[in-house]
Amino acid sequence: QKEVEQNSGPLSVPEGAIASLNCTYSDRGSQSFFWYRQYSGKSPELIMFIYSNGDKEDGRFTAQLNKASQYVSLLIRDSQPSDSATYLCAVNGLTFGEGTQLTVNP
Amino acid sequence: GAVVSQHPSWVICKSGTSVKIECRSLDFQATTMFWYRQFPKQSLMLMATSNEGSKATYEQGVEKDKFLINHASLTLSTLTVTSAHPEDSSFYICSARDPSVPSGANVLTFGAGSRLTVL
Repeated sequence: QKEVEQNSGPLSVPEGAIASLNCTYSDRGSQSFFWYRQYSGKSPELIMFIYSNGDKEDGRFTAQLNKASQYVSLLIRDSQPSDSATYLCAVNGLTFGEGTQLTVNP
Repeated sequence: GAVVSQHPSWVICKSGTSVKIECRSLDFQATTMFWYRQFPKQSLMLMATSNEGSKATYEQGVEKDKFLINHASLTLSTLTVTSAHPEDSSFYICSARDPSVPSGANVLTFGAGSRLTVL
């Protein structure tokens, strides 16, 4: 079982829609969870991180954490073509999932 | 915010040669830096943790004699790929903990990455 699992996608949504990205993790003792965005050929950049169960909002992005289910998600509202990228989930900062490729169609 | 500079951004070398990649923290001191490798369509795989003034800690399966890491100062870590072969061709990315985030948070700031192609 992989430590961090994500749906590889690709996920395709129309412009203006909500994109939902999911991540599960195997270590129940994990404390911190991160979402990064990576454009093709570039290094990752942080979107947001979350520690506590529930929702955390930052602009168009909302991270949701459910430690009981070992599940963390990222919602992107009003998706834009510029959001097209690979989204990486990281647990405890250092262990990354394989990423979900998102395409937002104009 | 914290900036990590990585150089070179891309390099092409012949099989059997060695390549050095530099990673610098520009506006902060980094006692620890992390080196990742990413193959196409795959995730970032942590190779090693670079510690200033001491030996690097390598992840399981990473050959420490092949991937030499030196962290001689608080702002510079280097990764040397020795006797490179085509299978070492990859995207190498360094990172450090972002000091602007409250302590205890493993928020990483990444270098721009170095794309290595071994012919």
